[in-house]
Amino acid sequence: LAKTTQPISMDSYEGQEVNITCSHNNIATNDYITWYQQFPSQGPRFIIQGYKTKVTNEVASLFIPADRKSSTLSLPRVSLSDTAVYYCLVGEKNTPYGGATNKLIFGTGTLLAVQP
Amino acid sequence: NAGVMQNPRHLVRRRGQEARLRCSPMKGHSHVYWYRQLPEEGLKFMVYLQKENIIDESGMPKERFSAEFPKEGPSILRIQQVVRGDSAAYFCASSPNLSYEQYFGPGTRLTVT
Repeated sequence: LAKTTQPISMDSYEGQEVNITCSHNNIATNDYITWYQQFPSQGPRFIIQGYKTKVTNEVASLFIPADRKSSTLSLPRVSLSDTAVYYCLVGEKNTPYGGATNKLIFGTGTLLAVQP
Repeated sequence: NAGVMQNPRHLVRRRGQEARLRCSPMKGHSHVYWYRQLPEEGLKFMVYLQKENIIDESGMPKERFSAEFPKEGPSILRIQQVVRGDSAAYFCASSPNLSYEQYFGPGTRLTVT
């Protein structure tokens, strides 16, 4: 599994767009990039997953450049309730015959603090 | 569709006692994962189970810890003879198939006194 590097913390203000970048220089061909969000005293919550280019859902966008050595999670117009730890994870997607288990390998994440 | 349920939410045990943590996955989910989060640390994978089978227990301590996911009923994480270092939040996650999109429960916070 490729190791990831994220900023330890970021600060933002309500209404701003926040971009959190994750480095994964050793990403393998079959690896996908997944982001999770965790609020204090709660379990993590899946945000988004992608392989290349851009993925968008109702919560966030994920930008992945052509070399895939990094990715950027973009949160539009954050609010106070977006204050949380954001984790970037990289790993091979399920391969029924390859023995993959899709266990999540969490790093230390990025603590996003949104100020009023 | 109810989410992943874990109970108890808080558990206090004295050193040497046994702790039993329960996890009911989402309806239709047959894949269960257990993770542990020590204070001020990230989550660490412990074990992955499918119905009645342990698929990957590479993250489980070799002694005192065991997990099961019986045909009927919740998945159980069992810790025998607890020590202070076992104090942590234990999270269960489930998915309908092999997936990185896992649904987490609220966690059980174990305190060993």
